[in-house]
Amino acid sequence: GQQVQQSPTSLVLQEGENAELQCNFSTSLNSMQWFYQRPGGSLVSVFYNPSGTKQSGRLTSTTVIKERRSSLHISSSQITDSGTYLCAMDQNQGGSAKLIFGEGTKLTVSS
Amino acid sequence: GGIITQTPKFLIGQEGQKLTLKCQQNFNHDTMYWYRQDSGKGLRLIYYSITENDLQKGDLSEGYDASREKKSSFSLTVTSAQKNEMAVFLCASSIGVNTEVFFGKGTRLTVV
Repeated sequence: GQQVQQSPTSLVLQEGENAELQCNFSTSLNSMQWFYQRPGGSLVSVFYNPSGTKQSGRLTSTTVIKERRSSLHISSSQITDSGTYLCAMDQNQGGSAKLIFGEGTKLTVSS
Repeated sequence: GGIITQTPKFLIGQEGQKLTLKCQQNFNHDTMYWYRQDSGKGLRLIYYSITENDLQKGDLSEGYDASREKKSSFSLTVTSAQKNEMAVFLCASSIGVNTEVFFGKGTRLTVV
């Protein structure tokens, strides 16, 4: 089965609504990272979040390593937030450089 | 800050052709990666290099070769292009293992 499960697969919001994206991991992890990708665009690192809560503007990430989960909260969503949000985990194997990705949550924010 | 430059941005090749994708980073990062992204799917690791002169296979290495020419550059070769491997190839780098990873803008490969 998939090691990184993201939910929901897609999300449609009205501008101003909040979004909650989830990422669950089936194995132990060393750290994890959230990325944002516009259609046809590159991956932009949103949070590198080994554990705990981090905030940047309207975005908040909370990772609980022991429970193998992470969430990304977007408050007061804007049309420019539309795109795909990918989470990836760094496996807890010494020396391994392997990031394992989920399949992403496609967010659409409309006016 | 730094930047990861991938060339070319778009690559069109013939089936069976050997094709090379290039990646340069000026972060002075030790670790570099090549990922493949298929439409609507997550990323899969092809090759990575922990330090200069190191080369490690990822999950998708069959049909590819890689070369870490120097610390700042990492190239990927598609040994015999197939129509089913049309995808975006993303290069990335990080200071070391288990650290934040940064991505380039990608090379979109089309095989005709």
